[in-house]
Amino acid sequence: SQKIEQNSEALNIQEGKTATLTCNYTNYSPAYLQWYRQDPGRGPVFLLLIRENEKEKRKERLKVTFDTTLKQSLFHITASQPADSATYLCALAPSGNTGKLIFGQGTTLQVKP
Amino acid sequence: GAVVSQHPSWVICKSGTSVKIECRSLDFQATTMFWYRQFPKQSLMLMATSNEGSKATYEQGVEKDKFLINHASLTLSTLTVTSAHPEDSSFYICSARPPSALAKNIQYFGAGTRLSVL
Repeated sequence: SQKIEQNSEALNIQEGKTATLTCNYTNYSPAYLQWYRQDPGRGPVFLLLIRENEKEKRKERLKVTFDTTLKQSLFHITASQPADSATYLCALAPSGNTGKLIFGQGTTLQVKP
Repeated sequence: GAVVSQHPSWVICKSGTSVKIECRSLDFQATTMFWYRQFPKQSLMLMATSNEGSKATYEQGVEKDKFLINHASLTLSTLTVTSAHPEDSSFYICSARPPSALAKNIQYFGAGTRLSVL
């Protein structure tokens, strides 16, 4: 069956450290993968997109990698800050260009001062 | 930047009543919008794709007669939860894509509507 999985356990790290979140997928062949941030009681906000032919993408303190062999994407936040505390969702388009996105269940990150 | 507005942000209703949720793209036109449902600590589940001027496309397992979707203009889609019951209580979120984001399928989300059915 098709699955997109994120570590459902909350990730607690100390301010200043690098947070690494994982997204694994099964039985999909996505052309790209996206990462969103969701704060409690709010809608998700787009952060980064990485294509299947890109190994790494960076935006300020954020870095995303995409390994189509492992069927995995890693999301890194360097020099983490308490304001980075939120739930991070990965998402992929299942097929074609219908506009649909399938989301992982999200990983909640808590950065402690 | 692209802004999607959702209203209301919170609604409490009695069992058996209907509730309408609005999703507006404020500074762009959207021929399609998407409606999601999210339970606590769970992922967003796509319910349906709202198509301007035509019928919505529902995901498997979503009742069309229960969740009525209308996309009457290029900036407004509405979701009506008919004859709501406590099990319909959830967080409903809409999204849309401005023309600049279509190629990458980047979605802009509303703030969500928390529905509580008593």
